[in-house]
Amino acid sequence: AQKVTQAQTEISVVEKEDVTLDCVYETRDTTYYLFWYKQPLSGELVFLIRRNSFDEQNEISGRYSWNFQKSTSSFNFTITASQVVDSAVYFCALSEVTDSWGKFQFGAGTQVVVTP
Amino acid sequence: EAQVTQNPRYLITVTGKKLTVTCSQNMNHEYMSWYRQDPGLGLRQIYYSMNVEVTDKGDVPEGYKVSRKEKRNFPLILESPSPNQTSLYFCASSLKPSGRIDTQYFGPGTRLTVL
Repeated sequence: AQKVTQAQTEISVVEKEDVTLDCVYETRDTTYYLFWYKQPLSGELVFLIRRNSFDEQNEISGRYSWNFQKSTSSFNFTITASQVVDSAVYFCALSEVTDSWGKFQFGAGTQVVVTP
Repeated sequence: EAQVTQNPRYLITVTGKKLTVTCSQNMNHEYMSWYRQDPGLGLRQIYYSMNVEVTDKGDVPEGYKVSRKEKRNFPLILESPSPNQTSLYFCASSLKPSGRIDTQYFGPGTRLTVL
């Protein structure tokens, strides 16, 4: 069975602060993909990143960075120097490949509120 | 423009009145999927389709039906809607479910209210 846990329901920060969103997953599969999506107030879902289980390199994209640690089954997301436009709900998701290919599990989401 | 479209975007209906939410993609994607989003629960997968005539259940399939007769379309059918199906629904598509280059493109969402 798959499971994705985003323990933080809401995080409030002041602009320019860093914010880290936690994502912990469970899977017995050795081959899987992890994703982060952003859902701004407008409601659409925006893909941010995909990481496969064999690639544990951390990734940085502008102010966004991701820390994938297989040993702790975590795929955390950090926004550096947050801006008001980062205010959104962020979802972590898991897709197995070997077993149940096609099934996706999303976390409950973390709402980020950035105030000026 | 590559996109996933859903119709209607908003729907208010009554218990028991059959309805269909359409989903269409113009990217020749093999994989399509339906999700519902409820507060505090994130997105939960209802059904998915690996290709034409190939569909399978997600985590919350009860009360829903799907069909995949054409590659571009993946309608969601509620034969007898109930109030607990009030939710925000998203359709998504990708070339494959997941892979080195694949990611899901989501439709704009359909907000359904069942009275």
